[in-house]
Amino acid sequence: SAVISQKPSRDICQRGTSLTIQCQVDSQVTMMFWYRQQPGQSLTLIATANQGSEATYESGFVIDKFPISRPNLTFSTLTVSNMSPEDSSIYLCSVDGPTSYNEQFFGPGTRLTVL
Amino acid sequence: QKEVEQDPGPLSVPEGAIVSLNCTYSNSAFQYFMWYRQYSRKGPELLMYTYSSGNKEDGRFTAQVDKSSKYISLFIRDSQPSDSATYLCAMSEAGRRALTFGSGTRLQVQP
Repeated sequence: SAVISQKPSRDICQRGTSLTIQCQVDSQVTMMFWYRQQPGQSLTLIATANQGSEATYESGFVIDKFPISRPNLTFSTLTVSNMSPEDSSIYLCSVDGPTSYNEQFFGPGTRLTVL
Repeated sequence: QKEVEQDPGPLSVPEGAIVSLNCTYSNSAFQYFMWYRQYSRKGPELLMYTYSSGNKEDGRFTAQVDKSSKYISLFIRDSQPSDSATYLCAMSEAGRRALTFGSGTRLQVQP
């Protein structure tokens, strides 16, 4: 499976500011995904990022709040904009697997606390 | 009602026990089913993936899917303290890569 790294691993931010999270994969992948895991809850898909096209956002998530870049086949960024304490969460990137079974492999996550 | 329901636990078992973890779902379009293990402060790790109904075995792990009942299970044989983690089920529709997750079951294997 692909090796996925995320930066930063954790951060504490002030409300009203923005944070950009980086996701790096050690091999080229077609699809990358961004999820949010709020405390005590499950993973919720924010958006799907394909190289060379606009990200596709899930219901309840908008580009102005969570802009995403996908400049090449091994890298993506997610920005959490104009943060509020409700944005405190773990943000995870994932990549699609090599089979047709829709499996995904996840990075270690970025733990964000907004004060 | 959530699309995927999973008992949050915690489920506590003695070492060596057989563990049964389960999820129910409401969306009949789900075709692909996965189980992930997540240790504290780590990302989810893929354990098993299956398509449609049936069983799949991998070492101490067996995944079962019963689409008629909209019910999936993960069995862990000879459980070890190192199996202590949160187990997440996930599923997706054909032609769509997005995964829908259960809320996770926390498992504790007592030595």
